[in-house]
Amino acid sequence: QKEVEQNSGPLSVPEGAIASLNCTYSDRGSQSFFWYRQYSGKSPELIMFIYSNGDKEDGRFTAQLNKASQYVSLLIRDSQPSDSATYLCAVNGNTPLVFGKGTRLSVIA
Amino acid sequence: EAGVAQSPRYKIIEKRQSVAFWCNPISGHATLYWYQQILGQGPKLLIQFQNNGVVDDSQLPKDRFSAERLKGVDSTLKIQPAKLEDSAVYLCASSHRLADTNTGELFFGEGSRLTVL
Repeated sequence: QKEVEQNSGPLSVPEGAIASLNCTYSDRGSQSFFWYRQYSGKSPELIMFIYSNGDKEDGRFTAQLNKASQYVSLLIRDSQPSDSATYLCAVNGNTPLVFGKGTRLSVIA
Repeated sequence: EAGVAQSPRYKIIEKRQSVAFWCNPISGHATLYWYQQILGQGPKLLIQFQNNGVVDDSQLPKDRFSAERLKGVDSTLKIQPAKLEDSAVYLCASSHRLADTNTGELFFGEGSRLTVL
């Protein structure tokens, strides 16, 4: 059974700080890694994906992947109250996406 | 471009009753997914269609859940009979191609929230 583990939080950070969200996965064959954002009562939306070891930056978001450690992270710089949401990590490897439980982020103004 | 449409948005039933959810994917999207999201958990795939064929239904509780996508467009998910543990949000998602599962570019509908009493 493929597993994706996340700390459920809540993770509270002050406005303007860096939020760091972490995820580990069990299947070494996983090839693609994704971060979805889900606002309360809303559906998930894709914000980042990463395939290769290292960092990938998109605006205020940076995804980091370490396949040897089976670890994925998402950094949000200059956190805003509008970033308050649940962040879902998802992985796949020729199979449908497996989601983690999500980490709830609260950005305090 | 219209997004993924789902109905009903909310449904309350008693256990052992039946319920059906409907999904209309984004126009032109060949791949359709039904996910179950229990409160406080991540979405869990129930079934994946490519056009009107089933790609993966390994986690669908087939004794009570069924799904179809007869013309390769709309899909329905049925639960009969419902149990208390079926209380969840049922999310429909679509993607343009099967290969988009590797890019994770799934587009989700707003979901159908089911409460079983």
